[in-house]
Amino acid sequence: EAQVTQNPRYLITVTGKKLTVTCSQNMNHEYMSWYRQDPGLGLRQIYYSMNVEVTDKGDVPEGYKVSRKEKRNFPLILESPSPNQTSLYFCASKADRRNSPLHFGNGTRLTVT
Amino acid sequence: GNSVTQMEGPVTLSEEAFLTINCTYTATGYPSLFWYVQYPGEGLQLLLKATKADDKGSNKGFEATYRKETTSFHLEKGSVQVSDSAVYFCALTLSSNTGKLIFGQGTTLQVKP
Repeated sequence: EAQVTQNPRYLITVTGKKLTVTCSQNMNHEYMSWYRQDPGLGLRQIYYSMNVEVTDKGDVPEGYKVSRKEKRNFPLILESPSPNQTSLYFCASKADRRNSPLHFGNGTRLTVT
Repeated sequence: GNSVTQMEGPVTLSEEAFLTINCTYTATGYPSLFWYVQYPGEGLQLLLKATKADDKGSNKGFEATYRKETTSFHLEKGSVQVSDSAVYFCALTLSSNTGKLIFGQGTTLQVKP
């Protein structure tokens, strides 16, 4: 089954404790992206990647890192999480950068205390 | 800049009522337009799309027409069901950009029996 898999689904952590949210897709998509969803703000792009070893900042990249060492994986790294990073995070992928639809994972709900 | 504006929610309807969720956009160039749906606890799923002016996207009884003259892409359904209760997101992408989807803030639909 074609899918985007994120882990974990739920994560509670404390300020400053490094964490990684994993994302993997099995559709051989070149394009991958991370979004955060906050009430009243919709989804905002954090980082994206056009292909292996190619990443770039989205609209809200501060406090986040990503890497794209393999085509299928695109982990999101929070080196020193803060409470304002409490949010619902989605990984997504698509075949190319034109009109293809994004395929989303089921989300990771992160709480930073 | 490029942006998407959706009508405020929540929208509460009785089963079999007619649904309209308004969406307008601002974009430089010629965007492709999308509606995504998010069911509770899940990621976003593509509902329908339109890639050029006057195109009509349709799926599962939902329709939306790309209106360039009014920069709108309103979502409609003739008879909603309880199972349509979800959050609906309007979004655009520009082929000239990085492939980023720009989302509206989302509209919650609740359908009562």
